[in-house]
Amino acid sequence: DQQVKQNSPSLSVQEGRISILNCDYTNSMFDYFLWYKKYPAEGPTFLISISSIKDKNEDGRFTVFLNKSAKHLSLHIVPSQPGDSAVYFCAARDWGGSEKLVFGKGTKLTVNP
Amino acid sequence: GAVVSQHPSRVICKSGTSVKIECRSLDFQATTMFWYRQFPKQSLMLMATSNEGSKATYEQGVEKDKFLINHASLTLSTLTVTSAHPEDSSFYICSARVSGSYVGELFFGEGSRLTVL
Repeated sequence: DQQVKQNSPSLSVQEGRISILNCDYTNSMFDYFLWYKKYPAEGPTFLISISSIKDKNEDGRFTVFLNKSAKHLSLHIVPSQPGDSAVYFCAARDWGGSEKLVFGKGTKLTVNP
Repeated sequence: GAVVSQHPSRVICKSGTSVKIECRSLDFQATTMFWYRQFPKQSLMLMATSNEGSKATYEQGVEKDKFLINHASLTLSTLTVTSAHPEDSSFYICSARVSGSYVGELFFGEGSRLTVL
């Protein structure tokens, strides 16, 4: 049972445009959501996060939106740059206090020059 | 940011042999490390939580006798795949959290690609 779903395995956008990566979840006990970026041959690196008590968090070109009623979050990258091309993983934490994260399958973003 | 290093990055072994993968936090101490496994086109799946000086906590469905975890120091955790079989072929990746930091600050190793022939 996939508790964190990234339904788009890939996304291609033009440099300078907005990239929107989506993530849906099923477990209403998740209290913290994170996005990780992964380049080939490297481990994932933390990008941005959002607590379930918020609906938006912004860091430079990256903004994460959370819609709790829809159990949906999205990562917006504006403007997109070729260096943003990577696999993006959405992850969620169960509020039970465990540090355990549940990951989505990832979305491969390609930003074309 | 903090650095986590895994070794080896790739390993090929024969069925029935054991393989050890090391995960090191290079510039910080990690009381807790996590081991994940990722099959092609699948999510990173948590296998176990490794705690320094104590037994690892395994996720449901993960055989603790097959995947031996040792976290003997604050900078090193090892995963040993015992009696490996072709179905154990996967991408294994560790992560560590800087003690006292919030949940987002998980630092991942580069991953280890295991191929069992």
